[in-house]
Amino acid sequence: LAKTTQPISMDSYEGQEVNITCSHNNIATNDYITWYQQFPSQGPRFIIQGYKTKVTNEVASLFIPADRKSSTLSLPRVSLSDTAVYYCLVGDLGNYGGSQGNLIFGKGTKLSVKP
Amino acid sequence: DTGVSQNPRHKITKRGQNVTFRCDPISEHNRLYWYRQTLGQGPEFLTYFQNEAQLEKSRLLSDRFSAERPKGSFSTLEIQRTEQGDSAMYLCASSLRQGAWETQYFGPGTRLLVL
Repeated sequence: LAKTTQPISMDSYEGQEVNITCSHNNIATNDYITWYQQFPSQGPRFIIQGYKTKVTNEVASLFIPADRKSSTLSLPRVSLSDTAVYYCLVGDLGNYGGSQGNLIFGKGTKLSVKP
Repeated sequence: DTGVSQNPRHKITKRGQNVTFRCDPISEHNRLYWYRQTLGQGPEFLTYFQNEAQLEKSRLLSDRFSAERPKGSFSTLEIQRTEQGDSAMYLCASSLRQGAWETQYFGPGTRLLVL
């Protein structure tokens, strides 16, 4: 399972766009990229998932360059309620939990949004 | 609420006691996962089920831990002879494998404190 590297923390202000970049140099052909958000004392919440290029949903955008060795989660116009830990995960979805690898979380990026 | 539910939300026990947690997945999901999360760390995989079959167990899952998923519906995680090091948030997630895609949806967790 590809290892990921993210910044430990980031600060932002309300209304700004926040971009969190994740490095995954050893990503495999079958690997997908998934981002989760976690608030204190709650379970992780799925944000977005993608394989290549750009994916957008109502919450965020995910940018994946052609070499797929990194990905960037983009949160438009953050608010105080976006203060949370954001996790980047890379893995073969078909083998999540299987003998080829499990869903491996790092320490994530702690985003602090200030007024 | 059609999300993943976990009970109890909080559990305080004395060292040496047995505890059992329950997870009710999203109804049509065939995969169910258990994770453990300690303060400041990301969730760590413990075990997972596909339907009623337990297909993978982490080496983190000592002999004192046992999980079941009778009839492929809800799941229980039991910890016998609890130790203070077992204090953590225990998270359950469920997913439905559809082709190459799989997204895990997490419950709110059960926070265990062993005194």
